[in-house]
Amino acid sequence: EIVLTQSPGTLSLSPGERATLSCRASQSVSSDYLAWYQQKPGQAPRLLIYGASSRATGIPDRFSGSGSGTDFTLTISRLEPEDFVVYYCQQYGSSRTFGQGTKVEI
Amino acid sequence: EVQLVESGGDSVQPGGSLRLSCAASGFTFSSYSMNWVRQAPGKGLEWVAYIGGSSSTIYYADSVKGRFTISRDNVKNSLYLQMNSLRDEDTAVYYCARGRGYGENDCWGQGTLVTVSS
Repeated sequence: EIVLTQSPGTLSLSPGERATLSCRASQSVSSDYLAWYQQKPGQAPRLLIYGASSRATGIPDRFSGSGSGTDFTLTISRLEPEDFVVYYCQQYGSSRTFGQGTKVEI
Repeated sequence: EVQLVESGGDSVQPGGSLRLSCAASGFTFSSYSMNWVRQAPGKGLEWVAYIGGSSSTIYYADSVKGRFTISRDNVKNSLYLQMNSLRDEDTAVYYCARGRGYGENDCWGQGTLVTVSS
């Protein structure tokens, strides 16, 4: 099983700042089958990024994904108030697993 | 509009069974893989099970293997999760999620709560 480790657990920033979230895999993720999801309190997750770097439909361009192999990054270029929630990475190259999440807080 | 609606969540004693359902609409159900993902109270997401569009490919998380069974009915546009031998640690909100392309989950239901407690 591929284990995904997200860091940091909590990221404290201010609106307008840049957020960099990390997701490290215990082994290489095949074909960069890595996605990022956003989850707001009381809501289901929402797909942000798939294939490590492709934005899902309707996702603002301040969200970007990068990386390959075992190291992946989600970048939010300029934080908006609604971005202060929890983010998860998921690999779907070998079965499926989620990271433990990163909370972005003000 | 693509929609997934879960049902069947309830409170059950340890060792009991429960069957969750997910009704799909707004898309060609048989063309997509489907997943169950759960979230324990205050915790992160945990993938539970996957089923391909034709039911020929099925995967389970180790934590539920041998106890849970995923299935689908492409005529009824429905996804199911039969949960047996339930444990306290199975308490969670259970989401069904559509798998697109190579497997990313692009559409999620609102979730149904399963509580396992004596």
